[in-house]
Amino acid sequence: RKEVEQDPGPFNVPEGATVAFNCTYSNSASQSFFWYRQDCRKEPKLLMSVYSSGNEDGRFTAQLNRASQYISLLIRDSKLSDSATYLCVVNQLTGFQKLVFGTGTRLLVSP
Amino acid sequence: SQTIHQWPATLVQPVGSPLSLECTVEGTSNPNLYWYRQAAGRGLQLLFYSVGIGQISSEVPQNLSASRPQDRQFILSSKKLLLSDSGFYLCAWSVRGTGGIYEQYFGPGTRLTVT
Repeated sequence: RKEVEQDPGPFNVPEGATVAFNCTYSNSASQSFFWYRQDCRKEPKLLMSVYSSGNEDGRFTAQLNRASQYISLLIRDSKLSDSATYLCVVNQLTGFQKLVFGTGTRLLVSP
Repeated sequence: SQTIHQWPATLVQPVGSPLSLECTVEGTSNPNLYWYRQAAGRGLQLLFYSVGIGQISSEVPQNLSASRPQDRQFILSSKKLLLSDSGFYLCAWSVRGTGGIYEQYFGPGTRLTVT
């Protein structure tokens, strides 16, 4: 089983739609969680950290379910510029920050 | 503000040739630094991390090595490249975010093709 699993997609949605991605992780000792966005042939960029109580940043909402070991990202009112690959990332150690990356979910937003 | 630089942006090297990729960070001191590789269609794989000058830890055995000769400089090297070394090489540094969680930020990366 992969340490971090994501549906590769692609998710094809029209502008204005709401789309949700889920991610599961295998290590119950994981301490912190993130969503990164990666555009084609570019570096990953931190979209948001995921807090235990869930958090929202504009059109983006992240949720964490430790009991079921999954993380979600909800994007409301999708924009064309949201088209990218979204990487689910888990920090497995409390001291040195060892991040484990999922292979990403591709989102395509169409006019 | 902090910035991270990597060069070159792209590189084409023959099998058996040496490699040196450089990463520098500005606007911070004593950062934790990381080297990752992203192979085509695969997730990011941590190669090395460093918590200070001369302190390097390797995550996977491989054909590569890393060095940190200065506080804000991190170098990835190889004496003889293999075809399997092709990929997108990313340098990253970490900082404690507003929520108390350490967050990592990436440089623009070097796309290496070994021919």
